[in-house]
Amino acid sequence: EDQVTQSPEALRLQEGESSSLNCSYTVSGLRGLFWYRQDPGKGPEFLFTLYSAGEEKEKERLKATLTKKESFLHITAPKPEDSATYLCAVQAVDYGGSQGNLIFGKGTKLSVKP
Amino acid sequence: DAGITQSPRHKVTETGTPVTLRCHQTENHRYMYWYRQDPGHGLRLIHYSYGVKDTDKGEVSDGYSVSRSKTEDFLLTLESATSSQTSVYFCAISPQTGRDEQFFGPGTRLTVL
Repeated sequence: EDQVTQSPEALRLQEGESSSLNCSYTVSGLRGLFWYRQDPGKGPEFLFTLYSAGEEKEKERLKATLTKKESFLHITAPKPEDSATYLCAVQAVDYGGSQGNLIFGKGTKLSVKP
Repeated sequence: DAGITQSPRHKVTETGTPVTLRCHQTENHRYMYWYRQDPGHGLRLIHYSYGVKDTDKGEVSDGYSVSRSKTEDFLLTLESATSSQTSVYFCAISPQTGRDEQFFGPGTRLTVL
């Protein structure tokens, strides 16, 4: 069964304190891995797509990396405005049934204190 | 922001009543999705559409039906709402499946009393 596990469930950081969020996945064949940011009361906002092991993508203070079993979202020198829930999702290779639908983890709630 | 709107944004209803949620897009994307989000669970797929009048079930489709008569509109219907369907519902769109990200709407908070 395809599965996505995110850790930790919650993370509290001081402003400027760098850290990483983890997304471990089990899929029959990975087609893509997606990171989203979700603010309270809003829909998820797309951040990155990663397709193959070794790939990295960056956006401002965020950097996403991918291995064959997990992805990390590295946050460098975070600011209070980076506080949000970060969601990871995987898309499995479609063998004719699911149209490659996304499977989401439960998210990591990040709080950055000034 | 992707051109996705959801209506209503909030709704309170009673057990046993029918409810229809609407998702409207202005991006002309082929794929549309309905998810629900509950505490302790990730986003879970209810139904999706891969074209006008083409729909299929997701992980948690029991008690829900969908319709798509136009590219821009995707309707989610709860034929007889139950308290277990209290949730936040998100619509998402994607130009095509495969290697494309999905873009999400603002959500509808539904409470079934």
